[in-house]
Amino acid sequence: GAGVSQSPRYKVAKRGQDVALRCDPISGHVSLFWYQQALGQGPEFLTYFQNEAQLDKSGLPSDRFFAERPEGSVSTLKIQRTQQEDSAVYLCASSLWQAGGGTDTQYFGPGTRLTVL
Amino acid sequence: LAKTTQPISMDSYEGQEVNITCSHNNIATNDYITWYQQFPSQGPRFIIQGYKTKVTNEVASLFIPADRKSSTLSLPRVSLSDTAVYYCLVGNAGNNRKLIWGLGTSLAVNP
Repeated sequence: GAGVSQSPRYKVAKRGQDVALRCDPISGHVSLFWYQQALGQGPEFLTYFQNEAQLDKSGLPSDRFFAERPEGSVSTLKIQRTQQEDSAVYLCASSLWQAGGGTDTQYFGPGTRLTVL
Repeated sequence: LAKTTQPISMDSYEGQEVNITCSHNNIATNDYITWYQQFPSQGPRFIIQGYKTKVTNEVASLFIPADRKSSTLSLPRVSLSDTAVYYCLVGNAGNNRKLIWGLGTSLAVNP
């Protein structure tokens, strides 16, 4: 596709349910990021993949959060036993891996709005 | 990772030039400065990136003084569609490309 896509766009879960959020990055993009964005806040880094390798998961708030990218393309963010504080927009971004000093341009999807009741 | 400080909000009118200044006192030698724009219910979108002096593209200009402790995003002749949140970020190709996002500047363009 032309851009990063995410599904579902909206998800309502009851507290305690497990959810899975999908990200389809731009074809050929090596890097993939997940962010959490609360209302009125900037995106907060969750995790980073380079191809299928998860190089940084320092932003995952608890062990209930798990991300994978098994074939280096599509990625899934899974949240187990959801809590109300997990309610947020989850953004996925992908980028080409460029040698050199600058940061790669990140292309974002529209996000998945998760509401935990 | 260097953090940034920028105004929480700004108001402007159609046709005016808007300058948003970002402070990044702890910027590292190999850090670049990048600005993103975010509309409601959308993911952020890249606007411009620079290292020093001035960078210009079809959307905006970025002014970076010699000490690089601040930068200014300049939007010429804004329109209503420029109403958005603008984020200033500082980072480099290291640190697993992690970027620290602040609250951004909410720009309101009025008719």
